[in-house]
Amino acid sequence: SQKIEQNSEALNIQEGKTATLTCNYTNYSPAYLQWYRQDPGRGPVFLLLIRENEKEKRKERLKVTFDTTLKQSLFHITASQPADSATYLCALLIYNQGGKLIFGQGTELSVKP
Amino acid sequence: NAGVTQTPKFQVLKTGQSMTLQCAQDMNHEYMSWYRQDPGMGLRLIHYSVGAGITDQGEVPNGYNVSRSTTEDFPLRLLSAAPSQTSVYFCAISESASSYNEQFFGPGTRLTVL
Repeated sequence: SQKIEQNSEALNIQEGKTATLTCNYTNYSPAYLQWYRQDPGRGPVFLLLIRENEKEKRKERLKVTFDTTLKQSLFHITASQPADSATYLCALLIYNQGGKLIFGQGTELSVKP
Repeated sequence: NAGVTQTPKFQVLKTGQSMTLQCAQDMNHEYMSWYRQDPGMGLRLIHYSVGAGITDQGEVPNGYNVSRSTTEDFPLRLLSAAPSQTSVYFCAISESASSYNEQFFGPGTRLTVL
């Protein structure tokens, strides 16, 4: 069956450290992968997109990697801050799914001062 | 420019009641969609529309109807609410159905069915 899995357990890290979140998928051939941030009681907010032919994408303190061989994306936040505390969602766009995004369940990140 | 608005923010229904969740956008985007979000399940696509007059089913369409008569509005109808439809509902839009477009989400409607 097709699955997208993110770290189910919350990730707790110290301010200033690098947070690394994982998104694994099986039985998909995604064209694109997107990462979103969601704060409690709010809708998700788009952060980054990476295409299948890109290995890495950066935006300020954020870095995303996409390994289609391992079927995995890693999302890094460097020099993390308490304001980075939120739930982070990965989403795949599948070629044969009519352009629909398939979301993972999200990983909750908590950055302690 | 409000982006995506959803009404109501909160709603409590009794089993069997009907209601419509409203979604409106002022960004002139073609693609609109409805998701539901349940604990541990992530966001699941209910219905989507690639333009006015065109709708299609997503992953979990049963119990929900949609229509798209204008570019701006994409209402979601529950004809006979069931407790299993208790969830948070998000409307999302993007510029087109092309995959590389980011999706803009509304603030959500929290629905409880008793």
